[in-house]
Amino acid sequence: DIQMTQSPSSLSASVGDRVTITCRASQTIFSSLNWYQQKPGKAPKLLIYTTSSLQSGVPSRFSGSGSGTDFALTISSLQPEDFAIYYCQQGYSTPPTFGQGTRVEIK
Amino acid sequence: QVQLVESGGGEVQPGRSLRLSCAASGFTFSTYGVHWVRQAPGKGLEWVALISSDGNNKYYADSVKGRFTISRDNSKNTLYLQMNSLRAEDTAVYHCGQGVGYGDRTFGFWGQGTLVTVSS
Repeated sequence: DIQMTQSPSSLSASVGDRVTITCRASQTIFSSLNWYQQKPGKAPKLLIYTTSSLQSGVPSRFSGSGSGTDFALTISSLQPEDFAIYYCQQGYSTPPTFGQGTRVEIK
Repeated sequence: QVQLVESGGGEVQPGRSLRLSCAASGFTFSTYGVHWVRQAPGKGLEWVALISSDGNNKYYADSVKGRFTISRDNSKNTLYLQMNSLRAEDTAVYHCGQGVGYGDRTFGFWGQGTLVTVSS
């Protein structure tokens, strides 16, 4: 199985900050990397698919980059509604696997 | 709009069985693969199982293989998860998810989940 490792596990940031979360795969997954946002008690929500494609309705302050084994999710200007847990997930092979999550908290 | 609504969770003793359901609406259910993904309390996301759009192909996590069975009824737009020989470590919120993209391995939409608690 492909292991996904996110960093950091948590971060504190202020409204308006630029935030970057990284995700590393244990082997190449080409561009098959997705990002999800989960708020407390809610279902995860797809933000970005195949590394950099923005899901419909997701604000343009979210962006994704990378290829091969190293990927990043960037929020260009953090908004109050962005405080949540973010997960990366590889869609290259079965089983699909997730990173452990990054909790974004208010500073 | 796409909706996935899980049901069937509850508290059950170790070794017993439970059947989860996921009712889908807002999309053509029969043309999508669908997944079960679980989340233990305070933990991350763990993929459980995938079934192809026609129901002919099924895939399982090693942790549930031989104990859980995924199935679907396209005439009822419903996904199922039969869980046998339940263990304490199966305690989690179980989400169903619409599979999109290559190999159906992107989770386009998720349900809110149903909580399964395995405890004596």
